Amino acid sequence: GENVEQHPSTLSVQEGDSAVIKCTYSDSASNYFPWYKQELGKRPQLIIDIRSNVGEKKDQRIAVTLNKTAKHFSLHITETQPEDSAVYFCAAAVDSGGGADGLTFGKGTHLIIQP
Amino acid sequence: GAGVSQSPRYKVAKRGQDVALRCDPISGHVSLFWYQQALGQGPEFLTYFQNEAQLDKSGLPSDRFFAERPEGSVSTLKIQRTQQEDSAVYLCASKLAGFYEQYFGPGTRLTVT
Repeated sequence: GENVEQHPSTLSVQEGDSAVIKCTYSDSASNYFPWYKQELGKRPQLIIDIRSNVGEKKDQRIAVTLNKTAKHFSLHITETQPEDSAVYFCAAAVDSGGGADGLTFGKGTHLIIQP
Repeated sequence: GAGVSQSPRYKVAKRGQDVALRCDPISGHVSLFWYQQALGQGPEFLTYFQNEAQLDKSGLPSDRFFAERPEGSVSTLKIQRTQQEDSAVYLCASKLAGFYEQYFGPGTRLTVT
């Protein structure tokens, strides 16, 4: 089955700086890669996703890049703000034709924005 | 509109008891997923329904875990003879057929003592 590795487990950056979180996956059949943000005690919320037919996607301060050959994808957050502090999870799934199936998640990155 | 809801939000069970966790998906969402999230870990896939059909149950950790969605809307995850290692947050998610985004519920925190 799929295995998703995520690094780093904790990332501390100064407010206003950029943050990068990296993930690798093992199953070449995976073709859908979402990123979720989870605040303490809350539900995971989708912040951005990418499908394997594109290499990069951007939404305001957030961007995701995908390298299918190397089987890795990354989350980039620019101009970080205190409200970006949370745990971020990458995930991978196979789209078998009806939208993605069950997600395989990484272990998470605790992002801390220092004021 | 209303999001995914789960009940109860918190459940304490003595080891050996049976528990039932409920998920109400977003209206019209045909796909429903259950995940288990241990403390400090990412969610782990348990099982997946499309309407009332359970298409994948490969993530259920043992035969003590059973899920159903008899009318294709509300789903129940049942855990028999709970063990301490079952302590976790159980998350339910739903999505529209043919779409990608999964919408998560708030979870049920199960503590087995």
